[in-house]
Amino acid sequence: NAGVTQTPKFQVLKTGQSMTLQCAQDMNHNSMYWYRQDPGMGLRLIYYSASEGTTDKGEVPNGYNVSRLNKREFSLRLESAAPSQTSVYFCASGLAGPYEQYFGPGTRLTVT
Amino acid sequence: GNSVTQMEGPVTLSEEAFLTINCTYTATGYPSLFWYVQYPGEGLQLLLKATKADDKGSNKGFEATYRKETTSFHLEKGSVQVSDSAVYFCALSDKAAGNKLTFGGGTRVLVKP
Repeated sequence: NAGVTQTPKFQVLKTGQSMTLQCAQDMNHNSMYWYRQDPGMGLRLIYYSASEGTTDKGEVPNGYNVSRLNKREFSLRLESAAPSQTSVYFCASGLAGPYEQYFGPGTRLTVT
Repeated sequence: GNSVTQMEGPVTLSEEAFLTINCTYTATGYPSLFWYVQYPGEGLQLLLKATKADDKGSNKGFEATYRKETTSFHLEKGSVQVSDSAVYFCALSDKAAGNKLTFGGGTRVLVKP
């Protein structure tokens, strides 16, 4: 039981390049989330998917797109990376409702 | 909207000292409350939770009580160890706000031997 997995662990991009962050969970959770973590700002929600086939914007969605590929997988795409997107990105999953979420190990992204 | 406020760190303690991290919240509904811990280089792990007023969550020697009257969920541990050095996040999940987690800014704790 791997929980929530993310790839890659580290990535360096040049401004304007694109990339997709992958996330998968094996806990049969309906809901999945993407956060970014910046120093002193806690975690901020980028996008979430309450169930397979649905996605919604979170607090900071600009510059990102998501795809809920199936119940297990939820990817985050940066179409044209900017230095302001340098951050640590976390994927999480959970049951529908006011319950805890389970987090992946994170992807550290640097945009130069 | 919902918000979580927790004390800023870093908090530096000696081993076996008492730890308190204050957390207060604002919510439109009746939230569930959580403490998460992040060890260096890792993702967040759920430390404990409480879902209704006066509930006490506990795990690994840590405790927090859901105080609705003071809208607080303070984290305590009676005797910290070096291995408790981490960043601690208070969070809430509110059905009225779509069950999304709202996090505090995190408190870094450093325990010295």
